[in-house]
Amino acid sequence: NAGVTQTPKFQVLKTGQSMTLQCAQDMNHEYMSWYRQDPGMGLRLIHYSVGAGITDQGEVPNGYNVSRSTTEDFPLRLLSAAPSQTSVYFCASSYDGYNEQFFGPGTRLTVL
Amino acid sequence: GENVEQHPSTLSVQEGDSAVIKCTYSDSASNYFPWYKQELGKRPQLIIDIRSNVGEKKDQRIAVTLNKTAKHFSLHITETQPEDSAVYFCAASDSSGSARQLTFGSGTQLTVLP
Repeated sequence: NAGVTQTPKFQVLKTGQSMTLQCAQDMNHEYMSWYRQDPGMGLRLIHYSVGAGITDQGEVPNGYNVSRSTTEDFPLRLLSAAPSQTSVYFCASSYDGYNEQFFGPGTRLTVL
Repeated sequence: GENVEQHPSTLSVQEGDSAVIKCTYSDSASNYFPWYKQELGKRPQLIIDIRSNVGEKKDQRIAVTLNKTAKHFSLHITETQPEDSAVYFCAASDSSGSARQLTFGSGTQLTVLP
């Protein structure tokens, strides 16, 4: 099993550009989530999903959209990138959200 | 919402000594408390977790204690080794509720000096 995969690994955007961060898991997990990691601030939840067709907001959802059309995929969309969105983004999955979360390798995003 | 505070932010110990990292949480409904280890440039990985129906859990050199009354929990690493050097994150969630949101502390950079 590949576990949780993310693409791309690195990305540089200009302010105002849009892009989608991809996340996929092959563990048949119902729960998937997106976090951003900034120095000194730990991991903050952006959005999460408890199953296909169901998404909800986390602690810092502004500027990000998600959708969950399949169990395997959970893409994160930045509609109009801002420098404040420069961060490392981690996708994670869990069997049901009440147990261990397995993290992907991360995407390092820089917005100029 | 839940708020998790973690101390210290940095910790240096001599190889072989013990390390203790402490966290406090605000939501009395929280009942699941995992600890993640993140090596430089890598993804966070679960090292141990505890639920509110137990006060202590051990796994070899790692142990976690929980005091629900005081709303704090701690990670204990004994006989530290250089490979224990990493950032450690505590987290808390209400694992019986519908929200299923995990709130993380700000992290502790542990350095084990040879």
